[in-house]
Amino acid sequence: QSALTQPASVSGSPGQSITISCTGTSSDVGSYNYVSWYQHQPGKAPKLLIYEVTNRPSGVSNRFSGSKSGNTASLTISGLQAEDEADYYCTSYRSSNILVFGGGTKLTVL
Amino acid sequence: EVELVESGGGLVQPGGSLRLSCAASGFTFNIYSMNWVRQAPGKGLEWVSYITGSSSTIYYADSVKGRFTISRDNAKNSLYLQMNSLRDEDTAVYYCARGVQWGFDHWGQGNLVTVSS
Repeated sequence: QSALTQPASVSGSPGQSITISCTGTSSDVGSYNYVSWYQHQPGKAPKLLIYEVTNRPSGVSNRFSGSKSGNTASLTISGLQAEDEADYYCTSYRSSNILVFGGGTKLTVL
Repeated sequence: EVELVESGGGLVQPGGSLRLSCAASGFTFNIYSMNWVRQAPGKGLEWVSYITGSSSTIYYADSVKGRFTISRDNAKNSLYLQMNSLRDEDTAVYYCARGVQWGFDHWGQGNLVTVSS
């Protein structure tokens, strides 16, 4: 089960916006609107940020937004804050393998 | 408040077995699908297994198919993962996670499983 493709790392300064991409195939991201995004900080449980491509659970800051174009989904974080430093993961439903994660992206706030 | 608490992890030899449990509280357990997700040391997250609220549908990742068995007891608000024929590469922190629209909206704190001789 090959993972979805994410950049290994991204960085930005406080107040800036960054975007993390998540590239799949026509068997997952391209065919289903079941893309989710998670924030994972050391020693903590992962936290759901976005589900069904664009939906934000209650309590999640509106600085986090999701989108999709073709086989690539994206997570945008606006107004970057020091507390946003974490690993970010995407997942997608995949017809053959059910659920697949991206490899993860480490966000560094400069 | 939704709470998920994993237990049952520890050190086991290659080829051995272990059973993880996840105690759920704060929500109507039997109407939600549940999942196990793991993270090997220094690696990313990996989905392991999925079970519907009624246990009618179960899925496994290819990496554990035939060795792991997911189950649940709705009367006890508990989720389980029976892990047999364990390998070194199964060493990981195992999380139980509540399912929502093929995502995971609540996670436990995780439980470490170490497979080593």
